[in-house]
Amino acid sequence: AQKITQTQPGMFVQEKEAVTLDCTYDTSDPSYGLFWYKQPSSGEMIFLIYQGSYDQQNATEGRYSLNFQKARKSANLVISASQLGDSAMYFCAMREPLNNAGNMLTFGGGTRLMVKP
Amino acid sequence: NAGVMQNPRHLVRRRGQEARLRCSPMKGHSHVYWYRQLPEEGLKFMVYLQKENIIDESGMPKERFSAEFPKEGPSILRIQQVVRGDSAAYFCASSPTTGSSGRAKNIQYFGAGTRLSVL
Repeated sequence: AQKITQTQPGMFVQEKEAVTLDCTYDTSDPSYGLFWYKQPSSGEMIFLIYQGSYDQQNATEGRYSLNFQKARKSANLVISASQLGDSAMYFCAMREPLNNAGNMLTFGGGTRLMVKP
Repeated sequence: NAGVMQNPRHLVRRRGQEARLRCSPMKGHSHVYWYRQLPEEGLKFMVYLQKENIIDESGMPKERFSAEFPKEGPSILRIQQVVRGDSAAYFCASSPTTGSSGRAKNIQYFGAGTRLSVL
């Protein structure tokens, strides 16, 4: 079974508008972390935002926010005021459990976001 | 601000040759992870190392692949007798020591990757 599912292979958004990238996850562990990474065409993996399963509030980092709905097991990324430079692949990832320092990340298949001028 | 450093960025090998990929973690990070990314796919975990120890190699192919993280120097991912199917992007990530704050130690920071092409 897929642990991380990103159902949108590609998305378009108009510059300056907000966009939501979907991510659902599957785990039976109560302690886990959810991450979003951006991969531009140059290929590097850039950390964007992190949400712990026990965090009381949804994470925010500048224009990025994570819409964390624990009961629905979803961790959608919201990008506000899209910019042309936001065009990239976006990957959702999970780490479980969090009490072990070295646990691996499990990645979804990614969503390609294209920002239109 | 030295991040995770990987070299080379691009590596071309002929079938049967060896590939050596290097990774220097961020300063203060003692955990190193290697991931592989096939075209149009997400990253897949390969191995997790600390200094001089392989902690988890559950994602490593059983043959031809090995990894090390010596006391001095970078972590090395070694692929012997490469085949066309090894062509991929290989990413290294690092995370802080267990003494770091809870939130910081959970985040893995990635290098720019090494793109391996096997001819």
